[in-house]
Amino acid sequence: QVQLQESGPGLVKPSQTLSLTCTVSGGSISSGVYYWSWIRQHPGKGLEWIGYISYSGSTYYNPSLESRVVMSVDTSKNQFSLKLSSVTAADTAVYYCARLEYSGYDSKFDCWGQGTLVTVSS
Amino acid sequence: SSELTQDPAVSVVLGQTVRITCQGHSLRSYYAGWYQQKPGQAPVLVFYGKNNRPSGIPDRFSGSNSGKTASLTITGAQAEDEADYYCNSRDNSGSFWVFGGGTKLTVL
Repeated sequence: QVQLQESGPGLVKPSQTLSLTCTVSGGSISSGVYYWSWIRQHPGKGLEWIGYISYSGSTYYNPSLESRVVMSVDTSKNQFSLKLSSVTAADTAVYYCARLEYSGYDSKFDCWGQGTLVTVSS
Repeated sequence: SSELTQDPAVSVVLGQTVRITCQGHSLRSYYAGWYQQKPGQAPVLVFYGKNNRPSGIPDRFSGSNSGKTASLTITGAQAEDEADYYCNSRDNSGSFWVFGGGTKLTVL
């Protein structure tokens, strides 16, 4: 059974870069069927898709965050990562990593990490 | 603003049937996925596509699609179904994913 686990600092200063890593266990990140995503949830609010990366490194980002987001993948460690630059208090949220599968008209985020709260504050 | 619209809150009497809806133009082209989120927990996929329920999800959860509306129906709601429910699909361009604002389900 595939499991995802986020890791990274829980506190980031304004204007700095938020960096998180998601470790995939119980399965290979190199499966071509899946895309590895980041999703965030502001406190008390809904879900926002940040973007995804494939095992080969192809990326697709939410246009609203695209200028500040960089995702990378390390297949040797079965990990993928998120960097969000120039953060402000508005980036304070729970960040989830999730596995995306899509084809044709269907898509699903079928496996999620437990989430990690990142607070942006000086 | 979200391109998928959900009612903020819905309630249901224990054991009765409730429908949670999601509206958006992209739903004419792409199926929705539905996620249940309980306080302090990560979302869990409960239904997706035309007619797919993940393993381990009770069969009281079902979904349907009509035009620009997707629906999640819980037949015989249980106390443990009280949660926030989010729909999700691709946007109109098919290039990225959007979530609805969520529906808080209360089981009375």
